Amino acid sequence: DAKTTQPPSMDCAEGRAANLPCNHSTISGNEYVYWYRQIHSQGPQYIIHGLKNNETNEMASLIITEDRKSSTLILPHATLRDTAVYYCIVRVARGADGLTFGKGTHLIIQP
Amino acid sequence: SQTIHQWPATLVQPVGSPLSLECTVEGTSNPNLYWYRQAAGRGLQLLFYSVGIGQISSEVPQNLSASRPQDRQFILSSKKLLLSDSGFYLCAWSVGSRVGGYTFGSGTRLTVV
Repeated sequence: DAKTTQPPSMDCAEGRAANLPCNHSTISGNEYVYWYRQIHSQGPQYIIHGLKNNETNEMASLIITEDRKSSTLILPHATLRDTAVYYCIVRVARGADGLTFGKGTHLIIQP
Repeated sequence: SQTIHQWPATLVQPVGSPLSLECTVEGTSNPNLYWYRQAAGRGLQLLFYSVGIGQISSEVPQNLSASRPQDRQFILSSKKLLLSDSGFYLCAWSVGSRVGGYTFGSGTRLTVV
């Protein structure tokens, strides 16, 4: 799986958009970008994934650069409940050998 | 819909005692199953995964073992717990034919005393 680099922590004001960056410069053509988050003392929660097109669902938007070497997860209107550790993971779609989690970004939403 | 059950939610066990944590999945067939551990202040570490009944792959050598006696049941065990086994244990599942996410259980917080 390709390596990812994320800032260790970020702050965002409640109600504003939270933009979480991820660098994955060694990504391969068949690898997807996945985003998960882990709220304190809970299991990780799937947010969104994408291959090369931008994606949007009810939780977030994923913007992937044209060269696919970086991406940004956007939470459009952050709430206090969005405070969590956010993980960017790059891997092939159908592998059965599990996800490898890095240290992620600790996003703190400020009231 | 698919659900994943993991129990107990919390557990306090003495050093040297055995351990058995159970995870079951509902609403899907032939899932890939996973056990992760998160030690205090540390990241998520994949311990075991299974692609079918009786098939277990171990990611790290340790004091733990896993078994999959039924299609949707995954068990994490230890014969003798160590202090270093304390942590937050998470079960997860995925379906190989589905491009998308892994679903995690709510976890078991194990404290070895």
